[in-house]
Amino acid sequence: AQKITQTQPGMFVQEKEAVTLDCTYDTSDQSYGLFWYKQPSSGEMIFLIYQGSYDEQNATEGRYSLNFQKARKSANLVISASQLGDSAMYFCAMREVSEGAQKLVFGQGTRLTINP
Amino acid sequence: NAGVTQTPKFRVLKTGQSMTLLCAQDMNHEYMYWYRQDPGMGLRLIHYSVGEGTTAKGEVPDGYNVSRLKKQNFLLGLESAAPSQTSVYFCASTAGTGGYGYGYTFGSGTRLTVV
Repeated sequence: AQKITQTQPGMFVQEKEAVTLDCTYDTSDQSYGLFWYKQPSSGEMIFLIYQGSYDEQNATEGRYSLNFQKARKSANLVISASQLGDSAMYFCAMREVSEGAQKLVFGQGTRLTINP
Repeated sequence: NAGVTQTPKFRVLKTGQSMTLLCAQDMNHEYMYWYRQDPGMGLRLIHYSVGEGTTAKGEVPDGYNVSRLKKQNFLLGLESAAPSQTSVYFCASTAGTGGYGYGYTFGSGTRLTVV
């Protein structure tokens, strides 16, 4: 079963608009962490934002915020005032602990294109 | 500030050849991971290590072997490369404790083509 689901393979947004990238997750753990990474065309994985399962407030990092709805098991990334440089692949990931070790499990990704 | 270094960055192999990908980290991290990234599939875990001398299988381990003889190095081996192993390979590491969400550091990736 998919543990991290990103239902939007691609999104197209006008520059300066806000954009929400969807992520739902599946876990029975009480303690877990949710991450968003950006992968530009150059290929590197860039950490954007983190939300712990016990964090009561939604995480924010500059123009990025994470809309964490624990009961719905969703962790959507919101980018405010999008810029051309935001065009990239975006991955949602969950830190889980299984077989005594922590691992990072990724969704399939969403390709975001910002139009001028 | 090297972080996680992967070598090589690019490689073309013929079917049946062998090779080793090297991942080196200078952050004294306990946990290290090898992922592969294929189009439309996200990153999938191949093997991981929770400390020097330990290795374990991830989601897609077939056709790969790993070793962690030194804490700072995690090697990924392909004994007999197949075209299905054409992919981009990422190494990652984490301390496993403390910090914001046990942050993960990724290498820049190795693009492998098997012909």
